[in-house]
Parts: sequence; C-alpha cells; structure tokens
Amino acid sequence: GDSVTQMEGPVTLSEEAFLTINCTYTATGYPSLFWYVQYPGEGLQLLLKATKADDKGSNKGFEATYRKETTSFHLEKGSVQVSDSAVYFCALSEGDSSYKLIFGSGTRLLVRP
Amino acid sequence: ETGVTQSPTHLIKTRGQQVTLRCSSQSGHNTVSWYQQALGQGPQFIFQYYREEENGRGNFPPRFSGLQFPNYSSELNVNALELDDSALYLCASTWGTGRGRVTEAFFGQGTRLTVV
Repeated sequence: GDSVTQMEGPVTLSEEAFLTINCTYTATGYPSLFWYVQYPGEGLQLLLKATKADDKGSNKGFEATYRKETTSFHLEKGSVQVSDSAVYFCALSEGDSSYKLIFGSGTRLLVRP
Repeated sequence: ETGVTQSPTHLIKTRGQQVTLRCSSQSGHNTVSWYQQALGQGPQFIFQYYREEENGRGNFPPRFSGLQFPNYSSELNVNALELDDSALYLCASTWGTGRGRVTEAFFGQGTRLTVV
C-alpha cells in the first residue's frame, strides 16, 4: 500500500543553518504531497503542498519539490530560526477515490540559538 | 487560526469506559476526518464523514464510531477503551464532494486521551 518514509530525528541545528528533512513515498499512482508542522501542544498546520511532478511548494521560507523520478519530497530551508523548532510530517493523498492523508512518522527539529 | 475546534482538550478515562470527542469544522467545510496520533508517531486515519455518512474508514475496529450532524460538526465515539487507545485524536475538516484526493485539510488542536 501507499506509504511515506521520513528521516529519523531529532535533527539539531544552530540558528541560521541550512535544513533538509528527507521524505520519500510509495504510491501506485501520482499522489498529492504535503508537509505539515506540529508545534508543541498543538495540532497540525499545513506548511506547503505540491499536486504534480516538478511542482515546488513554498511557504515561510520552506520549500519542497515533487520529484517523481526519485519519489521524493524533501523539505528545505536556507536559514532556520529557533521558532522553527517543531515536528514536521510529510504526507500524501493519492487516487481519485482517496479521501485520507497518509503520514510519515515525523521528524523533530530542534534549533539552538 | 484554522477555525477547527475540538473538545475537550484533555481527558482521562478508565479502561473499559466509553468516550465521546467532539469537533466543530471550519466554516464552509462539509467533510470531517478523524485521526489517531500515538506518542512519537504520525497520525493514522480513523474515518471520514461526508453528508452525515461514513465515507471511508481506516484499519480501526468497530468500537470506534462516529457521527456527523447537519451543521457538519462531528463526534468520535470509542467504546470499551483499551490502554492502547491513549493518544492525541485529531479532527480535520475540508470542503469536498465525497470523492477525490485530499487537497487541503485543516486540523484542530486535538484531544489528548489518556486511558488508565
């Protein structure tokens, strides 16, 4: 079945460092891909999305490009801030009759001042 | 602010009891989905409600049930609680037609259920 695999955390970075969180997926068709962020004690917030191959989603300095050839959707940010500390989830939704999001296990990011 | 509200925020129940969690969807949204997020894991899809009917279900037993009301709010009911039901329960709302992939879902802050 469809699945999402994320790099294990925690990822610990210093402020202003470059961030990459890897995400790869398995799907039978051509899914829509998402990154969600979860701050401590809160629900999930949509960070960015891409609906077809080669699309680039971006928001708040974060970017991810839908790579069909490598089945990947890696999250990047050029300069992280302490306020970016959170858990990041990669997710997919696939198929014309799909109605659910399939999530990865999450990657915790800790940014130190 | 997403506009999806869940209640209560925290709940402690005893094994074997029943629990009802509530969700008010964002204005203009007609579809509600429920997810279970165990500690340290990603959310797992429980089921979705569209037009007051269950529109899809994940790998959860029948003791997990739900309702959707005419105003699109929803309830999640869990009977015969087990220790493994301890988790954060998330509600997500979206506008949909009952078919088609998720384009964007807005999540509430969740209900933290602890079963002792």
